[in-house]
Amino acid sequence: NAGVTQTPKFQVLKTGQSMTLQCAQDMNHEYMSWYRQDPGMGLRLIHYSVGAGITDQGEVPNGYNVSRSTTEDFPLRLLSAAPSQTSVYFCASSRTVALQGIATEAFFGQGTRLTVV
Amino acid sequence: AQSVTQLGSHVSVSEGALVLLRCNYSSSVPPYLFWYVQYPNQGLQLLLKYTTGATLVKGINGFEAEFKKSETSFHLTKPSAHMSDAAEYFCAVSETNQAGTALIFGKGTTLSVSS
Repeated sequence: NAGVTQTPKFQVLKTGQSMTLQCAQDMNHEYMSWYRQDPGMGLRLIHYSVGAGITDQGEVPNGYNVSRSTTEDFPLRLLSAAPSQTSVYFCASSRTVALQGIATEAFFGQGTRLTVV
Repeated sequence: AQSVTQLGSHVSVSEGALVLLRCNYSSSVPPYLFWYVQYPNQGLQLLLKYTTGATLVKGINGFEAEFKKSETSFHLTKPSAHMSDAAEYFCAVSETNQAGTALIFGKGTTLSVSS
């Protein structure tokens, strides 16, 4: 079972470059999200989506764009990379409970370690 | 907006000792609550979850947690620590509101186990 697949696993960017972090899930989950993990900060929510065509901002959305054209894919775009975006990025997907619309447990990808120099 | 506070960024125990990792949440509605574990250079793995029903929840690897609404807490415990339990642990809350649904994580607690 693939679960949540993130690519690439490692990336080095120069300041000002753009790139897309890929995330795909094969569990038909409605809810997908992107987090960044920094030492002592835990996981901070960047953007999330409750279904194809629907996205919303999390706690730290600046400098990032997302789109959700299919249920399976939720790419994260860095528009103009900055050293402050050096981090480990995790994509996650969750099933939502139909009536309440609440996200249940998240399944995580293995992460992308991004360094911006 | 909901939030999660994990008391103690670092907890150290001896092998065989009780493990207690604290988590408090703020939520205006009954939340779903989760504990995750992260081993070095890996993603997060679900340990246990509370959604509805029984407030004492058992998870993998001998861990359990109790939902206490009156204390807005969801502390994680294990009766006897093992060396392999050394990892980082995250508490998370999920709720739905007018803006939608979101999973919010605490800052994490690193558990060290000494022999």
